[in-house]
Amino acid sequence: GAGVSQTPSNKVTEKGKYVELRCDPISGHTALYWYRQSLGQGPEFLIYFQGTGAADDSGLPNDRFFAVRPEGSVSTLKIQRTERGDSAVYLCASSLTGEITGELFFGEGSRLTVL
Amino acid sequence: AQSVAQPEDQVNVAEGNPLTVKCTYSVSGNPYLFWYVQYPNRGLQFLLKYITGDNLVKGSYGFEAEFNKSQTSFHLKKPSALVSDSALYFCAVRGLYNFNKFYFGSGTKLNVKP
Repeated sequence: GAGVSQTPSNKVTEKGKYVELRCDPISGHTALYWYRQSLGQGPEFLIYFQGTGAADDSGLPNDRFFAVRPEGSVSTLKIQRTERGDSAVYLCASSLTGEITGELFFGEGSRLTVL
Repeated sequence: AQSVAQPEDQVNVAEGNPLTVKCTYSVSGNPYLFWYVQYPNRGLQFLLKYITGDNLVKGSYGFEAEFNKSQTSFHLKKPSALVSDSALYFCAVRGLYNFNKFYFGSGTKLNVKP
């Protein structure tokens, strides 16, 4: 597609459940990022992929969070044993090569609500 | 550590008037600065960036931003506001030692009234 696509757009789950959020970046973009945006806050970095590998996962809050990008295109953010504090909008972004001067192109986000 | 601050939670302007959305940064070395806009229930859209060169950067939708090294600021401006400019605006700086990360401000809500 023309832009970054994220599914689902909304996800409501119960505390303790497992959740997967999917991101389809702009075709040809090798760099992919996940950010989390809590209400009233700016986006916070979670993880960065260059190709298939997670080049920087220092923003993942704990080991309940994991992300993969097995073929260097689509990425899935996985959250185990969800907690109410995980409720946020999860944003995916991509850029052509991850060069330092480049901007990120964001998807519309997946809003996660944990009840 | 790198960071940006947006001192105003909200800015109100009348349509046709000039607008300024403020951003200050804290980073050692030369910063790479960005502005993004977020419309309701939409993702962030890139507006403009400062990498090097001319301190006045022009971007999308008639927006511009002025990089001021002495004041460590990167304020977003537009000469004549439109009601359709009403949105949430985020300033961001790219990490100097870890350029994989963008550090975003907390956002400023711009309200343009007819």
